[in-house]
Amino acid sequence: DAKTTQPTSMDCAEGRAANLPCNHSTISGNEYVYWYRQIHSQGPQYIIHGLKNNETNEMASLIITEDRKSSTLILPHATLRDTAVYYCIVRAQGSQGNLIFGKGTKLSVKP
Amino acid sequence: EAGVTQSPTHLIKTRGQQATLRCSPISGHTSVYWYQQALGLGLQFLLWYDEGEERNRGNFPPRFSGRQFPNYSSELNVNALELEDSALYLCASSRRTGGVETQYFGPGTRLLVL
Repeated sequence: DAKTTQPTSMDCAEGRAANLPCNHSTISGNEYVYWYRQIHSQGPQYIIHGLKNNETNEMASLIITEDRKSSTLILPHATLRDTAVYYCIVRAQGSQGNLIFGKGTKLSVKP
Repeated sequence: EAGVTQSPTHLIKTRGQQATLRCSPISGHTSVYWYQQALGLGLQFLLWYDEGEERNRGNFPPRFSGRQFPNYSSELNVNALELEDSALYLCASSRRTGGVETQYFGPGTRLLVL
């Protein structure tokens, strides 16, 4: 699975959009981009995943660049409860087995 | 749809004892993964079970073991507990849909070894 790079930390004002970037320059054509988050001392929560088209669900939007070398997770109206560590993971279609979590981005939503 | 459940939520043991942690996957999921997250550290993969078989294990000693039952629930056993086994133990379940596998995590069991 391709390696990802994320900023260590980010701040966001409550009510504003939080845009979390992820670089995956070595991604292959059959690899999906997954996002999880982990609120302090809880289990990681699946957010969204995508291959090449932009995706949106009730939690967030995922924007993948045309060359697929980077992506951005967007939380449209961040709340204090969105404070968490956000992990970007790249995983091949058809792949099974353990997820490899990097250090992620610590997002702090401030009032 | 009920999520992944784990029990107990907290467990306190003394060094040398054995701990048993349990996980119930989402209905219809056949794979169960176990991860360890020590305080301030990242998630480390422990074990993967699918269809009742152990498919892979991480870089942990043999005193970490487990099994998966016919109903796909799973048990993690840690023998001869050491102080450094104190951690949050997370279980995740998955199933393959259209060639894509998404893992869903439970709330975890926090194990404290004294």
